[in-house]
Amino acid sequence: DADVTQTPRNRITKTGKRIMLECSQTKGHDRMYWYRQDPGLGLRLIYYSFDVKDINKGEISDGYSVSRQAQAKFSLSLESAIPNQTALYFCATSDLRTRQETQYFGPGTRLLVL
Amino acid sequence: GQNIDQPTEMTATEGAIVQINCTYQTSGFNGLFWYQQHAGEAPTFLSYNVLDGLEEKGRFSSFLSRSKGYSYLLLKELQMKDSASYLCAPYAAGGNTPLVFGKGTRLSVIA
Repeated sequence: DADVTQTPRNRITKTGKRIMLECSQTKGHDRMYWYRQDPGLGLRLIYYSFDVKDINKGEISDGYSVSRQAQAKFSLSLESAIPNQTALYFCATSDLRTRQETQYFGPGTRLLVL
Repeated sequence: GQNIDQPTEMTATEGAIVQINCTYQTSGFNGLFWYQQHAGEAPTFLSYNVLDGLEEKGRFSSFLSRSKGYSYLLLKELQMKDSASYLCAPYAAGGNTPLVFGKGTRLSVIA
């Protein structure tokens, strides 16, 4: 059983299209995150949410939006996709109730924008 | 803000020992995470150090010096499957600052 799932796992889209990446978790964690990863640049935080009604911009939020529909679901949208948004996208969760708040990652979505 | 520095790449031989260093500057430091990430896969949790000193967990050990802003991950008896990126991430106390990851050290284990 995957505790953190992401759909789709792979996506090819065209410049200008709006797409949504979805993340679901069964861990009961209150905090959720979206990262993108590019070769040589590491994991960069796009948006994060500490609770259902809480949305915060990360390091690179331009061109992205998010929705926290429920505690278990956190979606990332690319309003108008562009080629430099081609990357590997990860969703992660953490639990504030634990002392160290370890992050647990989904399997990733590989996005190609043509 | 945070500043995290770790080597970009390292190569080591199967069966050997390798040490991956991480230096950091961060306000409100609480502890430091190490994650392992195989190519194209999700990062997975390896260790979390709060106190100074070495913590051993099988073939992997992690060290922290809070006063020096320094940590290392020690991998013993290297195996080919240890070829991966290793990410360090200092964690700030207070719970309102998201984790920031270093760019990672890509370790290649060769025969």
